[in-house]
Amino acid sequence: QVQLVESGGGVVQPGRSLRLSCAASGFSSSSYPMHWVRQAPGKGLEWVAVISYDGSNKYYADSVKGRFTISRDNSKNTLYLQMNSLRSEDTAVYSCARDPHGGAFDYWGQGTLVAVSS
Amino acid sequence: EIVMTQSPATLSVSPGESATLSCRASQSVSSNLAWYQQKPGQAPRLLIYGASSRATGVPARFSGSGSGTEFTLTISSLQSEDFAVYFCQQYNKWPPVTFGGGTKVESK
Repeated sequence: QVQLVESGGGVVQPGRSLRLSCAASGFSSSSYPMHWVRQAPGKGLEWVAVISYDGSNKYYADSVKGRFTISRDNSKNTLYLQMNSLRSEDTAVYSCARDPHGGAFDYWGQGTLVAVSS
Repeated sequence: EIVMTQSPATLSVSPGESATLSCRASQSVSSNLAWYQQKPGQAPRLLIYGASSRATGVPARFSGSGSGTEFTLTISSLQSEDFAVYFCQQYNKWPPVTFGGGTKVESK
């Protein structure tokens, strides 16, 4: 069955970096665009970034542009999110999601918590 | 960016009753509108895409309607497992895709 499992979250100081991973199984992730979406504690959903199926196109939310980088390794069926210059407002659960519908997500991971605090 | 507004914020419904959730877009999103269900500690689950198409495995009691700027998710004969938070999302003009703030459906 389709599974997305995120890892790499943790507590980090402001200004530091973290890399998240999303391991896909049960399907070939190279066939789909993939997204990162985050949810701050007690808040709603915020889209973060998207990467095309082959990695050739990437787009970011204004709030993370220039600080976050999305990438993928289709040989490993894994999606990544490199997060630099982290801020307290980046504190959230980060989830990866599969996109078969041109922007609607049919499978999501459970998420990994990133807490930015001094 | 397109702003999505959901109402009400909280809906109190008795099991067996129907629930109607609303979602409004700040500009037309055509039919590029999805609905998700999220339970505490769980990932969101896609219910509806294309404004009215049910995702795989979604029970027929969930139905979506609308186009342009006004959308509705109807849950007929609410079951205990349907108490959750529901989000709408537009994917007509993106990036960014944008989500509504959510409607919590709770037991009356």
